[in-house]
Amino acid sequence: GAGVSQSPSNKVTEKGKDVELRCDPISGHTALYWYRQRLGQGLEFLIYFQGNSAPDKSGLPSDRFSAERTGESVSTLTIQRTQQEDSAVYLCASSQGAAEGYEQYFGPGTRLTVT
Amino acid sequence: GQNIDQPTEMTATEGAIVQINCTYQTSGFNGLFWYQQHAGEAPTFLSYNVLDGLEEKGRFSSFLSRSKGYSYLLLKELQMKDSASYLCAVFTGGGNKLTFGTGTQLKVEL
Repeated sequence: GAGVSQSPSNKVTEKGKDVELRCDPISGHTALYWYRQRLGQGLEFLIYFQGNSAPDKSGLPSDRFSAERTGESVSTLTIQRTQQEDSAVYLCASSQGAAEGYEQYFGPGTRLTVT
Repeated sequence: GQNIDQPTEMTATEGAIVQINCTYQTSGFNGLFWYQQHAGEAPTFLSYNVLDGLEEKGRFSSFLSRSKGYSYLLLKELQMKDSASYLCAVFTGGGNKLTFGTGTQLKVEL
């Protein structure tokens, strides 16, 4: 079946512009995660959605970052007034649930470059 | 805070065995994952440990000692395609966050 998809695959934007990244999780997966991966570094948790519960936003680095999810489907991550430090690969993952033991399936990521 | 340590790089020979270690100090522990990530690709799941001991899955095995805050990933009969970054990740806190190490870049040589 279809895996997690993300769009765009690559995005180049000018400093100060807003960008919107999209994630389509695997159908039926109730949990959705956003991570950031800077070059040569590990994954950094950003935000997590589980069903209709309030999202866990504890990983968002600043108020320029926000994310939404419609029900148990598509999610968008928005970065306002982008800075060069925002350049990274943004990975989305989904899982059947949020409890331990549920494997997270990752999308291919969106490579964001802020010039 | 959360701290997960892995070696940055390792090199091994095709056909050999390699062990990648991971130590962690985290507030809360609900399991440990290993993921494989090829350059430019998304991480893919390898293994999950929540109880002490060894989990074997084909050429890959993963070990966990909760009392020592230690895990390792064992890769046998190495193949060139195993060249990748191996990420150790701990399920922490409310069970919904994965905290990742920086990954171990494994290079398999002839």
